[in-house]
Amino acid sequence: DAGVIQSPRHEVTEMGQEVTLRCKPISGHNSLFWYRQTMMRGLELLIYFNNNVPIDDSGMPEDRFSAKMPNASFSTLKIQPSEPRDSAVYFCASSFGGEHTGELFFGEGSRLTVL
Amino acid sequence: DQQVKQNSPSLSVQEGRISILNCDYTNSMFDYFLWYKKYPAEGPTFLISISSIKDKNEDGRFTVFLNKSAKHLSLHIVPSQPGDSAVYFCAATGGFKTIFGAGTRLFVKA
Repeated sequence: DAGVIQSPRHEVTEMGQEVTLRCKPISGHNSLFWYRQTMMRGLELLIYFNNNVPIDDSGMPEDRFSAKMPNASFSTLKIQPSEPRDSAVYFCASSFGGEHTGELFFGEGSRLTVL
Repeated sequence: DQQVKQNSPSLSVQEGRISILNCDYTNSMFDYFLWYKKYPAEGPTFLISISSIKDKNEDGRFTVFLNKSAKHLSLHIVPSQPGDSAVYFCAATGGFKTIFGAGTRLFVKA
């Protein structure tokens, strides 16, 4: 079975450009999470979707960040405009089940570098 | 406001010895505590978990201990193997959120 699929794996862009990261969760999973990993803060939760509906976006750093989940098999995280401090590895994760035990399945991540 | 803290950024252990990774948390309402393992250029993978109503869970070489009064958990790896060299994240779940610590990089020397 395919795991969580993220694209692109690497993105290098210039400050001010729009960045779109994509995620395909595991089929049948009803929860999707976007995390950001930095050296300083480790893994930060940005936003959580349940059944395609955003439940908690309190971790989204500012209005430049937005996320959508138009259907059960696709989600995007957009940064517009991008800034050098957005450079990080962005992970998408999915899970299934009514009781949230915390067991998440992560993609391989998208490494973003903003120059 | 870091609810899950891993105060040791790195740990070095000799092959065959015990590795002990530590984690502290602040929120007594967490339901589950987990450890994830991460290799370079890969996403974190689930390793072992423990419910907040238990104090120990064992899976092969990996054991997680939970001390609720101290708000502390630890992961023991016995015996440590070179393939265990990775970054280990402590995590805790409350409601729908899973909060991660900053990670501890484990080096197992052959």
